[in-house]
Amino acid sequence: QKEVEQDPGPLSVPEGAIVSLNCTYSNSAFQYFMWYRQYSRKGPELLMYTYSSGNKEDGRFTAQVDKSSKYISLFIRDSQPSDSATYLCAACSGGYQKVTFGTGTKLQVIP
Amino acid sequence: GAVVSQHPSWVICKSGTSVKIECRSLDFQATTMFWYRQFPKQSLMLMATSNEGSKATYEQGVEKDKFLINHASLTLSTLTVTSAHPEDSSFYICSARDIREGLPDTQYFGPGTRLTVL
Repeated sequence: QKEVEQDPGPLSVPEGAIVSLNCTYSNSAFQYFMWYRQYSRKGPELLMYTYSSGNKEDGRFTAQVDKSSKYISLFIRDSQPSDSATYLCAACSGGYQKVTFGTGTKLQVIP
Repeated sequence: GAVVSQHPSWVICKSGTSVKIECRSLDFQATTMFWYRQFPKQSLMLMATSNEGSKATYEQGVEKDKFLINHASLTLSTLTVTSAHPEDSSFYICSARDIREGLPDTQYFGPGTRLTVL
């Protein structure tokens, strides 16, 4: 079993839709949960990170972590074509520890 | 924000040759740099952790004699793929952790290097 599981998609939505991206994890030691955005043939870019359980909002993006169910979510409101990319969830047990990535979900926002 | 560069961005080589990839932190110091490999439609797989001034720590299944890592300064780490073969063709990405803090948002990724071995 992979430590971080993510549906690879692809996921296609119309412009303006609310997008929900999800991951599950198995390692109870994970404390930090991150979402990265990766454009084709580029390195990942950190969107948000959350410590432990709870919600975090940044503009159109909201990250949620439910440690009881080991579930990680990223919501994108008012999705734009420029949001089209692969979204990777990731987790680590501490700030200095190695990061474990999900496989990524490819998102396409159609104008 | 902090910038990590990689060079080259794309390299094509013949089977059996060695290829060196550089990872530089441009505006911060990094005691730790990470090397990842990403195959198409797959996740980033950590290959090794590179620590300045000491030997790299390799993940299980990664051949240290095949993938040589040198972290000679606080701003530069190199990955050399020795005697490259077609199965080594992949997207190699480095990341660097800012020396000042240990939070996840202080690990910055480079743009990646696409290696194609003919």
